Amino acid sequence: QQPVQSPQAVILREGEDAVINCSSSKALYSVHWYRQKHGEAPVFLMILLKGGEQKGHEKISASFNEKKQQSSLYLTASQLSYSGTYFCGFHGSGNTGKLIFGQGTTLQVKP
Amino acid sequence: GAGVSQSPSNKVTEKGKDVELRCDPISGHTALYWYRQSLGQGLEFLIYFQGNSAPDKSGLPSDRFSAERTGGSVSTLTIQRTQQEDSAVYLCASSPPGVRSTGELFFGEGSRLTVL
Repeated sequence: QQPVQSPQAVILREGEDAVINCSSSKALYSVHWYRQKHGEAPVFLMILLKGGEQKGHEKISASFNEKKQQSSLYLTASQLSYSGTYFCGFHGSGNTGKLIFGQGTTLQVKP
Repeated sequence: GAGVSQSPSNKVTEKGKDVELRCDPISGHTALYWYRQSLGQGLEFLIYFQGNSAPDKSGLPSDRFSAERTGGSVSTLTIQRTQQEDSAVYLCASSPPGVRSTGELFFGEGSRLTVL
C-alpha cells in the first residue's frame, strides 16, 4: 500500500520553514526520503530505521515514529536549491528490499 | 560507467508495437528496481530484483509488461502491444547489498516513452 504524503504542494519564500508528512497503514521497517528536481532523477536524502531516530542533512532533518507509522521531513531556512518534489518511501516489515514511494510533495521556494 | 545507465533515453513508438528498455546497474549492486513516472505523477513501483531470488513483480500493471535480469546485472523491461497510457518515464535504480539498512537507491536518468 502506497504511503500518503501531505501536503501535496508547498510554496515558500527563501528562509521559511516547511514540514512534509508521510504515513502508512502498515508496519514499517524503515523510511527513505528522496528529492527530485525537475527533469532529473530522484536523489537520496536519508534513511531512518526503526527506533524513532532523527537524522539531519544540511538544514533538512527527519523523524520516524514507528508506533504511529509516520515520518516527517523538516526543511529549515529553505533555500532556492530546495525546490523540487520530495518523496518518502517505505520498506515493509517483511524481509524485502522492495521500496514503495508516496505520491510526492512539490516544494517551490521563491526569492 | 559510474552510474546507472538506461537506454534509450527517448523512445517514440506507435500504439500496438513492442518496446524494450534497458538498464545497466552500477557494478556490484545486487538489487535492481523499475519504476514508472507519468507526467507530474509519483514513482510507481513496477518490479524488484534481488540477487538470484525470484523477482517481486507485484507492481507490473498488466501481463503486457515483463522484465528480466540476466547474469545478475543488465535488466530489460519489455512492454508488448503498447497503449497510449503506457507513455511515461521509466526509471531504473540499483542499490548495493543491505538496502534495507543503508537505504540508498541510485537512479538512472530514465527512458521517456511516448506512444502515439
